[in-house]
Amino acid sequence: KNQVEQSPQSLIILEGKNCTLQCNYTVSPFSNLRWYKQDTGRGPVSLTIMTFSENTKSNGRYTATLDADTKQSSLHITASQLSDSASYICVLASSGGYNKLIFGAGTRLAVHP
Amino acid sequence: NAGVTQTPKFRILKIGQSMTLQCTQDMNHNYMYWYRQDPGMGLKLIYYSVGAGITDKGEVPNGYNVSRSTTEDFPLRLELAAPSQTSVYFCASSYSGFNGYTFGSGTRLTVV
Repeated sequence: KNQVEQSPQSLIILEGKNCTLQCNYTVSPFSNLRWYKQDTGRGPVSLTIMTFSENTKSNGRYTATLDADTKQSSLHITASQLSDSASYICVLASSGGYNKLIFGAGTRLAVHP
Repeated sequence: NAGVTQTPKFRILKIGQSMTLQCTQDMNHNYMYWYRQDPGMGLKLIYYSVGAGITDKGEVPNGYNVSRSTTEDFPLRLELAAPSQTSVYFCASSYSGFNGYTFGSGTRLTVV
């Protein structure tokens, strides 16, 4: 059973539009929730890191939210640009030990002109 | 500042061959990791290291070996390549394990 589920699997939007990507998780407890951006053929790059006590974190046009009660996170992208075309990965860091990361499968976003 | 450097970027192996995937970081990070990424799946941890001389298994260690003789280097060894090891491999490093990770650009390996 996947502990981190992302939706949609893929999404196409027009340049300049906003979009929201979803992440549902069952990992508990966890120390932080991260969103990564992965361009094709590249490694993931960190966008945001939120502890379980935070409910929002922004990085430029990217805003992540966290609802610990419903075990959901979202990544909102404002005024999309062609360079936002990438996969966006939700990652949970479990508590204790070596801070094991549990990766979602990602949402593939395509921004068209 | 190069970050995390992986070599090679691409490799095709025949079944039963061996190879080493190289990973070097220049950020003086204590923690280093090897992940594999299969199509449509989240990254899976193969091995990790919390410092020079210390390594431990992750979720999918079978068929792989690692060593950490220096802080900078964390090579991944495939001894007898199998088609199931066809994947994209990412090396990552982190200062404390609780901070953000820096990933390399990956090695795409095909075993035929």
